[in-house]
Amino acid sequence: AQRVTQPEKLLSVFKGAPVELKCNYSYSGSPELFWYVQYSRQRLQLLLRHISRESIKGFTADLNKGETSFHLKKPFAQEEDSAMYYCALSLANSGYALNFGKGTSLLVTP
Amino acid sequence: DGGITQSPKYLFRKEGQNVTLSCEQNLNHDAMYWYRQDPGQGLRLIYYSQIVNDFQKGDIAEGYSVSREKKESFPLTVTSAQKNPTAFYLCASTGTSGTGELFFGEGSRLTVL
Repeated sequence: AQRVTQPEKLLSVFKGAPVELKCNYSYSGSPELFWYVQYSRQRLQLLLRHISRESIKGFTADLNKGETSFHLKKPFAQEEDSAMYYCALSLANSGYALNFGKGTSLLVTP
Repeated sequence: DGGITQSPKYLFRKEGQNVTLSCEQNLNHDAMYWYRQDPGQGLRLIYYSQIVNDFQKGDIAEGYSVSREKKESFPLTVTSAQKNPTAFYLCASTGTSGTGELFFGEGSRLTVL
């Protein structure tokens, strides 16, 4: 079964501290993974995707097929990073629908 | 201004009533999706449509129905058969390039009284 697991419901860090939001997946094929973010009172939006191997707003995520993980990292958290973060797996056999994890709420405090 | 528009933003209904949520996009996207978002549950797929006049059930389709008569429109009907309809509903769309980027609407919050 295709599944995305985000073990942490809430993650609280101080401003300037490193942050890592965990994501594990189960998928029999070659996975396409994404991180989406939802800031307060804004719509859900794409943060980054593993195939582009880019850094967005200082965040990076590396696909580790051996550990079936796609953790999101940022070396120095900022208060404006406070948001809900969702890891998602693209399902090519379901019209490219995304299978989302339950989300992690990141709170960055001063 | 391109994007996805959902209406209404807030909706109240009595038990036993059907209600239809609107989703319109002017992005010329072929594929459209409906998700349900509940606290602590993430987003769960209700229905999706890859092309006009065709749609498929997602993980939690029971008690819902959709239609796709036009490319830009994908309305969702929450029927009285849906046992727990109070939720936040999100519509999304994507081009069929398979890049995986879904564009989301602002959502509709349905409350059953």
